[in-house]
This record gives sequence, structure tokens and C-alpha cells, in this order.
Amino acid sequence: AQKVTQAQTEISVVEKEDVTLDCVYETRDTTYYLFWYKQPPSGELVFLIRRNSFDEQNEISGRYSWNFQKSTSSFNFTITASQVVDSAVYFCALSEADYGGSQGNLIFGKGTKLSVKP
Amino acid sequence: GAVVSQHPSRVICKSGTSVKIECRSLDFQATTMFWYRQFPKQSLMLMATSNEGSKATYEQGVEKDKFLINHASLTLSTLTVTSAHPEDSSFYICSARATGGFTEAFFGQGTRLTVV
Repeated sequence: AQKVTQAQTEISVVEKEDVTLDCVYETRDTTYYLFWYKQPPSGELVFLIRRNSFDEQNEISGRYSWNFQKSTSSFNFTITASQVVDSAVYFCALSEADYGGSQGNLIFGKGTKLSVKP
Repeated sequence: GAVVSQHPSRVICKSGTSVKIECRSLDFQATTMFWYRQFPKQSLMLMATSNEGSKATYEQGVEKDKFLINHASLTLSTLTVTSAHPEDSSFYICSARATGGFTEAFFGQGTRLTVV
């Protein structure tokens, strides 16, 4: 069965601190996709990244970076020099790939609520 | 990315009434749509998957007679919450996926339903 675990329920940091959000996943599939979404209080899901299981390269996008390690089934997300606007709930998610390689439904972790204080 | 429009964004209804939520793919043909539900301070859970022209497949524990899903066209899927009760108050969000290989799914903005 597929499962996503975000062990950190809530994290509170002071502005400009770096923060890492952990994500551990379980799947028996060899082809799958991993995601991170940001959910501000408005509720809308903001897409941050999608990574397929064959691409273990780490990625950096501005202050955001992601560390994908298949050996430990982890897909951690780091925000460098955090800002108040980063305050939100962050979800890690997993999706299997169908026979055509398309993304299936998402299995979400429970989310990590990040509070960045000025 | 592709655009998925969900309407309404917020709705308040009286207990016992029905509410329809629309999910539209604006710039692609969505052969598959996923409907998720999120209770306050909880994660998102898949309710059902619908393919255009077919009956929806519901997840275990989701009442298909209560949550009616229609996916009659390649750009529109609807979720109707019938005889809504306060425990149905939740955030409902759809996701649409096109046909073809290596396609991804895109989320709508979500609908916050409050049943009073």
C-alpha cells in the first residue's frame, strides 16, 4: 500500500531561519511521482514541485530546495532564509503512474504547518 | 500549467438541501477527474475518480448515493452533495487530468462547503 508520512505536525521558526520539512513515503511501484504543495489559509493548493521516481537529482528553485533519496524513501523540502509569507500548511504527496505513465490520484501526507514569525 | 476552474469557491446551505460543485478544465480535455475532501485541520482524501462517459469509482467509505458525480463532457465534472448535513461541511477540491502519456493532473481552487 502507498503511504506518505510527514512526521512534523507543526514547525515554528523566526524569519530568516532555514527550515526543512520531512517527507517519507512507501510504495511498491517502481514508477511513481512525488509532490509538494503549499496550502495557505485560503485553502487553494499551490503546486511547488513534481518529481518522478527516475530522477533523483536534487532541485533548487530560489529559496526552495528538494532532496530526493530513494535509498531512504525520502523527499525533503528546505526553505532557506524563511519569510513570513512562507507560513502555510505544506503537503507532501505520492502518485503512482498508470500504464501510460500518467499521474494517478494523489496520496497526501497529513501536512506540516509552518509558522514563520517576524 | 493548465487551468482548472472550480465553482463556487464558498457555499453555505441549509441542512437537507443539495449543493452542486462544478469543476471545469479550461484549456485541455480532462478525461479523468479526481475529487478530494479535506476536513478542518486534516489532510486531503480521495473521494472518487471519474472518467468521461463512465460511472465514477468511489473510495471505500464514500457514499455514492450521497455524493453524486457526473462527468458527461471532457471539460466538466460535477459533484452534488445530496441532502447535506453539518458533518458534510468540508473543503472539496477537484483535480483534472488530460489523456495521453506522462500527463499530470491540475487542481481547482477548491470549494468550502458549510452546512448549517
